[in-house]
Amino acid sequence: QQQVKQSPQSLIVQKGGISIINCAYENTAFDYFPWYQQFPGKGPALLIAIRPDVSEKKEGRFTISFNKSAKQFSLHIMDSQPGDSATYFCAASKPDYKLSFGAGTTVTVRA
Amino acid sequence: KAGVTQTPRYLIKTRGQQVTLSCSPISGHRSVSWYQQTPGQGLQFLFEYFSETQRNKGNFPGRFSGRQFSNSRSEMNVSTLELGDSALYLCASSLVGTGSSYNSPLHFGNGTRLTVT
Repeated sequence: QQQVKQSPQSLIVQKGGISIINCAYENTAFDYFPWYQQFPGKGPALLIAIRPDVSEKKEGRFTISFNKSAKQFSLHIMDSQPGDSATYFCAASKPDYKLSFGAGTTVTVRA
Repeated sequence: KAGVTQTPRYLIKTRGQQVTLSCSPISGHRSVSWYQQTPGQGLQFLFEYFSETQRNKGNFPGRFSGRQFSNSRSEMNVSTLELGDSALYLCASSLVGTGSSYNSPLHFGNGTRLTVT
């Protein structure tokens, strides 16, 4: 069964707007929550990651918000740029366990 | 430092054939994981190797197998290919331990695109 549920499947945002992608998980033992960015023809690249003892992490225009009690986490892309157009995957893992991925969100930034 | 290298980039095979994919991890990385990516199923975990030992395995049939060599390079083999095996096969490496963690994240290669006709 899918251990990480991701939504929406796709979104379109205007240049300068905010993109928000949401993920939910069930396994409370998960202790590592990364986000990956994938461009066509390339493999996924680690974008940003968070541990459950932190509620928010920001790196440049990318922010992860983490809600441990709700078992949810989200990626916010601020001031979205055309170069941010890609597929984004959330993921979760625990020690000695595979990294489980969400289904992915295709983000299109319109100029 | 060179990233994860996968060869070949593209493969076209016929149903019933077998195929071997190769992966060279980032220098110093000892764990190698394989994932299958398809539009319908997303990223599905195949297996993981650490120090030449399979540590984790996903829910794939026995036609999918792999191995890791003493230099951490890994190969994945698919026998008796089916049309449904057409996918992007991704290899990822991490520094230590098994799985993926905050201090030892997964780094992916650009994949091998397998088409089965």
